[in-house]
Amino acid sequence: AQSVAQPEDQVNVAEGNPLTVKCTYSVSGNPYLFWYVQYPNRGLQFLLKYITGDNLVKGSYGFEAEFNKSQTSFHLKKPSALVSDSALYFCAVSPPSGNTPLVFGKGTRLSVIA
Amino acid sequence: DADVTQTPRNRITKTGKRIMLECSQTKGHDRMYWYRQDPGLGLRLIYYSFDVKDINKGEISDGYSVSRQAQAKFSLSLESAIPNQTALYFCATSTRTYTNTGELFFGEGSRLTVL
Repeated sequence: AQSVAQPEDQVNVAEGNPLTVKCTYSVSGNPYLFWYVQYPNRGLQFLLKYITGDNLVKGSYGFEAEFNKSQTSFHLKKPSALVSDSALYFCAVSPPSGNTPLVFGKGTRLSVIA
Repeated sequence: DADVTQTPRNRITKTGKRIMLECSQTKGHDRMYWYRQDPGLGLRLIYYSFDVKDINKGEISDGYSVSRQAQAKFSLSLESAIPNQTALYFCATSTRTYTNTGELFFGEGSRLTVL
């Protein structure tokens, strides 16, 4: 069965600094990996995904994520954080078969301080 | 209009009452899901349906039931609500084709409080 770990409940970063939100996964075979963001009182919004190909994937709002197969990681990154990036971020994984639903991590709350 | 619509958005009820949360979608997706969000626990899957005749239990299905009335409608029921079912509930949809790799599209959530 697949699983996702987000080791940090909270990440604090100063505005303008780079940010990283960590995610590690466990799945049989090659994974499909996703990042979602949740703003207060809203549903989850899709940010980006890794399916195959280039290990660095780019997504919405200037976010990118790096897939590392040897470390089974898929960390979310942004070169320069904005206060408006403050939100709850979820990593999710599914096997390529597509026969089971996405499994989510517990989420990491990002606070960007002005 | 939202692609995935949940009703009601907020509901306060009492222990023992029957509650139904409804979800409808205009995305034309075949797959629908109900997740529950609790602080510190992330999203946990309650039930999912890959087509109208397909219903599957998720990680935490006890105390819940679902109905897939049509491809576009998927409702979640709590037959006898209890306080630990107080949570934020999300409906989501997806599809899986050569070009669509199964990412989920979420509704805005239904906040349920059971007193």
